[in-house]
Amino acid sequence: GENVEQHPSTLSVQEGDSAVIKCTYSDSASNYFPWYKQELGKRPQLIIDIRSNVGEKKDQRIAVTLNKTAKHFSLHITETQPEDSAVYFCAASKRDDKIIFGKGTRLHILP
Amino acid sequence: DTAVSQTPKYLVTQMGNDKSIKCEQNLGHDTMYWYKQDSKKFLKIMFSYNNKELIINETVPNRFSPKSPDKAHLNLHINSLELGDSAVYFCASSRRQATYEQYFGPGTRLTVT
Repeated sequence: GENVEQHPSTLSVQEGDSAVIKCTYSDSASNYFPWYKQELGKRPQLIIDIRSNVGEKKDQRIAVTLNKTAKHFSLHITETQPEDSAVYFCAASKRDDKIIFGKGTRLHILP
Repeated sequence: DTAVSQTPKYLVTQMGNDKSIKCEQNLGHDTMYWYKQDSKKFLKIMFSYNNKELIINETVPNRFSPKSPDKAHLNLHINSLELGDSAVYFCASSRRQATYEQYFGPGTRLTVT
């Protein structure tokens, strides 16, 4: 079955700097890769997703890149702000199968 | 308008008791899920229903029994609660299975003493 590895488990960056979180997956048939953000005490919410027919997707300060050959995808947050502090989860899935989440990255934005 | 709602938000109970958590979605989605999030924040899928039919049943003790009376509701009943069941349980829904955005409920924090 699918296995998703996520690194790092904790990341601290200075406010205004960029943050990068990386994930690898094992099932080459996976074709949907979402990223969820979970603020303290809140529910996970989708922030960006990418499908396997696209290599990169951007939404304001957030971007995701996908390398299908290497089976890895990354989340990039630029110009980080205090409200970016949260736990971020990557995930991978394919049609009619279950979604598998990475173990999460706790992002701290330092003032 | 709450898209995915769960009740109760907090549940404190003693070992050996039986409890239920209810979930409802008003998004018209076909697929609903139950997730368990432990103290380390790992999100693990437990069950998935598609149009009231069980499609994913992970390695979960049979003390956990989901029930979907209709497409908009997915409840979770837990028998003989154990200390290790303490966690946050999230319900979620998506338009179809797996490759669509999942909308999570607010979570139910279960504490077993």
